[in-house]
Amino acid sequence: GAVVSQHPSWVICKSGTSVKIECRSLDFQATTMFWYRQFPKQSLMLMATSNEGSKATYEQGVEKDKFLINHASLTLSTLTVTSAHPEDSSFYICSAGGAGSNQPQHFGDGTRLSIL
Amino acid sequence: KQEVTQIPAALSVPEGENLVLNCSFTDSAIYNLQWFRQDPGKGLTSLLLIQSSQREQTSGRLNASLDKSSGRSTLYIAASQPGDSATYLCAVRPSNAGKSTFGDGTTLTVKP
Repeated sequence: GAVVSQHPSWVICKSGTSVKIECRSLDFQATTMFWYRQFPKQSLMLMATSNEGSKATYEQGVEKDKFLINHASLTLSTLTVTSAHPEDSSFYICSAGGAGSNQPQHFGDGTRLSIL
Repeated sequence: KQEVTQIPAALSVPEGENLVLNCSFTDSAIYNLQWFRQDPGKGLTSLLLIQSSQREQTSGRLNASLDKSSGRSTLYIAASQPGDSATYLCAVRPSNAGKSTFGDGTTLTVKP
């Protein structure tokens, strides 16, 4: 069964709306989670590293004020896309796990965000 | 900066064929390498993970190999089935807390 749960799976909303996406580790604690963005027919682009109890680490070119990340507990990280616009439409995926060299990263099922 | 390349970008084979997907990386100082499968509109499913000290891992019809010195990994799929059709991604992790670098993936189509 899934070890990382992502919710919602699909969001359609109007331009200017803020959208929150949740990522939960179901049967393990995750001090670090990763948020990715994926454009059609392209690979995953890392947006930020979510750190439990501290600020997220953003990749170059990713707007911190646009993509707010909160990692308030060891099992939950949230990504909020603030004042979303059509260009923010994309597939967003989170991952957790992989703390040891023999521990795989587990991914959520992704969130399809469509801004009208 | 680590770069990961997957060749070919797309592959179409008839059912029953054995096939090999390739993944190459530029920095051999890796922590582990993971192969994933992604179905359209879905998240990633972990297939195999190879630790830096390992040469290969097997799961069912899948076998992944790792040659750090040459910066290469292969994913071998035996007796392919239409249900194997998906995009296969490899990801290289540089350290325990390091972020993974993904290849662009190989889209596999297995024709019945």
